[in-house]
Parts: sequence; structure tokens; C-alpha cells
Amino acid sequence: AQKVTQAQTEISVVEKEDVTLDCVYETRDTTYYLFWYKQPPSGELVFLIRRNSFDEQNEISGRYSWNFQKSTSSFNFTITASQVVDSAVYFCALSESGGSNYKLTFGKGTLLTVNP
Amino acid sequence: SQTIHQWPATLVQPVGSPLSLECTVEGTSNPNLYWYRQAAGRGLQLLFYSVGIGQISSEVPQNLSASRPQDRQFILSSKKLLLSDSGFYLCAGTGVAGAGSGTDTQYFGPGTRLTVL
Repeated sequence: AQKVTQAQTEISVVEKEDVTLDCVYETRDTTYYLFWYKQPPSGELVFLIRRNSFDEQNEISGRYSWNFQKSTSSFNFTITASQVVDSAVYFCALSESGGSNYKLTFGKGTLLTVNP
Repeated sequence: SQTIHQWPATLVQPVGSPLSLECTVEGTSNPNLYWYRQAAGRGLQLLFYSVGIGQISSEVPQNLSASRPQDRQFILSSKKLLLSDSGFYLCAGTGVAGAGSGTDTQYFGPGTRLTVL
């Protein structure tokens, strides 16, 4: 069975600090997909990134970057120079390939608070 | 890209009353559709998913049911609400692959906050 662990329940930082959100996953599949979503106080989950298991290149998008390491089964998310608008709950998720249901296994989320 | 609509945005219902939450999708055809519940404490629980019209899979036995009468419409229902049905209900759908996303990427609606009193 697949599992996603986000060990950090809550993180609080001061604006402009860098912050890394950890995600560790378990799966028996060799082909799978990893996702990060952001849930601001409004409630809607916003898709941030999708990464397949064959692509270990790090990804950078503006102040966001992702570090995928299969050797440690981790897919960590770093926000550089954090801003108050980054305050949200962040979810890491895993989808196994095969079949057509595309179900996601979510971690429990990390609440990030960025203080001015 | 696709858009997920949900209504109502908030709902307060008495125990024992019926429920109907609706989700519609724009911008894609034959999406997979999902209903999630998020209780206080943040965890997301998958309730139902559908890979096509009339095809419903239930993940957790409970007081709720789902239906998919049209390709891009997904309905969550209950005949008699319980206090434990309170929570934030999110609908999601897969769709068109875009930059950085695949056809399996789930996009979420704005959610319905349900309070059962």
C-alpha cells in the first residue's frame, strides 16, 4: 500500500526566510507520480507541481523549487524568500500508475505560517 | 484548462435532513471525478470517485452516496444527515494535460462547507 508522510505539522517563519517542506513516500510501484498542492485559507486546493518517477531533475518555478530523490523516497518543497501570501496548508500526494482511476494518496499536510 | 464548479459554497442543515451537493466541470470531456471530505484537522478523505457516467466507486462505507448523471456532473447526496457529516467537501476532476500537468492531475473546486446541527 502506498503512503505519504509529511512529518512537519506546522511551520512558522518570518517573511523573507527560506523554508523547506518535507515529504516522504512509500510505494511498491516503479512508475508513479508525485504532486504538491497548496490550500490557502479560502479552502480550494491549488495544483503546484506533478513529477513522474523517472524524472529526478529538480524543478524551479520562481520562488518555488522541488527536490526529488528516489534514493530517499523524498519529494521536498522549498520556498525561497517566503511571503505572507505563502501562508497555507501544503499537501504532498502520490499517484500510482496503471489503471484509470488516478487516485491520490495525500499526506496530512503542513500548515505554513509566514509572519510579517 | 478545466474549471470545477461547486455549489452551494456553504450550507447549514439540521440532523436528519437530506443533502445534495453538486459539482460540474468545464473545459474537458470524460474526466475522472472525485468527492473528498476534509474534517477539522486537515486530512483529506476520498469518499467517491467516478471514471464515467453512472460509474461510482465508494471508498468508505458511510451515510452518503454519489451519482454521475452526466459526463461533467457529479452529485453527492444523503437521505438523512448525521452530525458527523459536517465538514468541507471538495470535488475534483482530471482533465487536459497542460504545462507541468498530466491527464491524471486532479484539479479542485472551491468546496462546500457543510455544518450539520
